[in-house]
Amino acid sequence: NAGVMQNPRHLVRRRGQEARLRCSPMKGHSHVYWYRQLPEEGLKFMVYLQKENIIDESGMPKERFSAEFPKEGPSILRIQQVVRGDSAAYFCASSPSDQLPIGYTFGSGTRLTVV
Amino acid sequence: GESVGLHLPTLSVQEGDNSIINCAYSNSASDYFIWYKQESGKGPQFIIDIRSNMDKRQGQRVTVLLNKTVKHLSLQIAATQPGDSAVYFCAEKAGGYQKVTFGTGTKLQVIP
Repeated sequence: NAGVMQNPRHLVRRRGQEARLRCSPMKGHSHVYWYRQLPEEGLKFMVYLQKENIIDESGMPKERFSAEFPKEGPSILRIQQVVRGDSAAYFCASSPSDQLPIGYTFGSGTRLTVV
Repeated sequence: GESVGLHLPTLSVQEGDNSIINCAYSNSASDYFIWYKQESGKGPQFIIDIRSNMDKRQGQRVTVLLNKTVKHLSLQIAATQPGDSAVYFCAEKAGGYQKVTFGTGTKLQVIP
């Protein structure tokens, strides 16, 4: 049973380019959460999605960031016109439900570097 | 509050000793708490959780204590091993689904 798969593991983008981060949840998991982690800091919530729906995007910057979780395929976190401040590790977690206990499984993350 | 751009607090312990990692949480409405372990280059890994109607929960070599009066959470690791070296985060949940708020983190260094 493969865990949460994130790709790419490392992504380098020049300022102004687009970054697309992918997250394939565990089999049977229909809830996906995205978090961002700056060096030496905790993870910060960005967005919570269920299949084809954005449930809570309160942690997403209002501009340049978007997320989707289509009926088929992985969840995508998209960052347009990247800036140096977007450099961080981006983690997704998947869960089989939205009830307790929290059944999160985190992926290994995508480390985005903007040069 | 949150620390931005600061080095993580570090706890150094001798192999075989017990470790205690502390966390102050912020939201009195939080009803569920989790401790995560994060090794370098990896995602957070679940260690143990506790609901707000409990004050203590034990797992294998780990114990979590919750003091709601002072909004304090601690993780105790018995007989600390080199493999326990990592950054430890507490996280709290308030609300109807599984969105959590992470604390700043503590780096645990185990001295062989």
